[in-house]
Amino acid sequence: AQSVSQHNHHVILSEAASLELGCNYSYGGTVNLFWYVQYPGQHLQLLLKYFSGDPLVKGIKGFEAEFIKSKFSFNLRKPSVQWSDTAEYFCAVRTPNTDKLIFGTGTRLQVFP
Amino acid sequence: DAGVIQSPRHEVTEMGQEVTLRCKPISGHNSLFWYRQTMMRGLELLIYFNNNVPIDDSGMPEDRFSAKMPNASFSTLKIQPSEPRDSAVYFCASSPQVGSNQPQHFGDGTRLSIL
Repeated sequence: AQSVSQHNHHVILSEAASLELGCNYSYGGTVNLFWYVQYPGQHLQLLLKYFSGDPLVKGIKGFEAEFIKSKFSFNLRKPSVQWSDTAEYFCAVRTPNTDKLIFGTGTRLQVFP
Repeated sequence: DAGVIQSPRHEVTEMGQEVTLRCKPISGHNSLFWYRQTMMRGLELLIYFNNNVPIDDSGMPEDRFSAKMPNASFSTLKIQPSEPRDSAVYFCASSPQVGSNQPQHFGDGTRLSIL
């Protein structure tokens, strides 16, 4: 069965620090990969997605993620975080021809001014 | 454009009561998903529908949970009888046709508290 691992459960940063959140998945075939963000008290919103092509994908709010097939990874990055990035971040995997998303357990990011 | 609409936003009820959560997917979306989010277990897919037909209900925790999608614009998730351990945030999401390479869009969720 597919699974998604997010090893960083809680990350605390100061504003302007760089961010990298890890995501690894277990599935040997083609996958679609997603990062969702959940701001406090809100619903999940799509940050970025990878289906095919350039493994470096850019999303909203300055976020990007790199798909490394050999490492089964899809890490999320942002060069300089802001206080408004405080949220929970979820990595998710979907196998083609299904709509079923498998989510990681999430990483809580706190950014202090 | 209207997104996924869930109601109620909050529900507080006593254990043993029936709880019904409602979801209206984005118009034109053919797939609908119910998720449960808790601190302990994160986001879990309970069930999903495609063209109003349940495709995978393996995540439904037990017989007390049931979900229906009588038409393309409405779905319900029912818990009867409810128990305190059902307390969670329940999200509904929708997406276009299977294999369309489009992401799921989430509703605002229903925060359910069973006393």
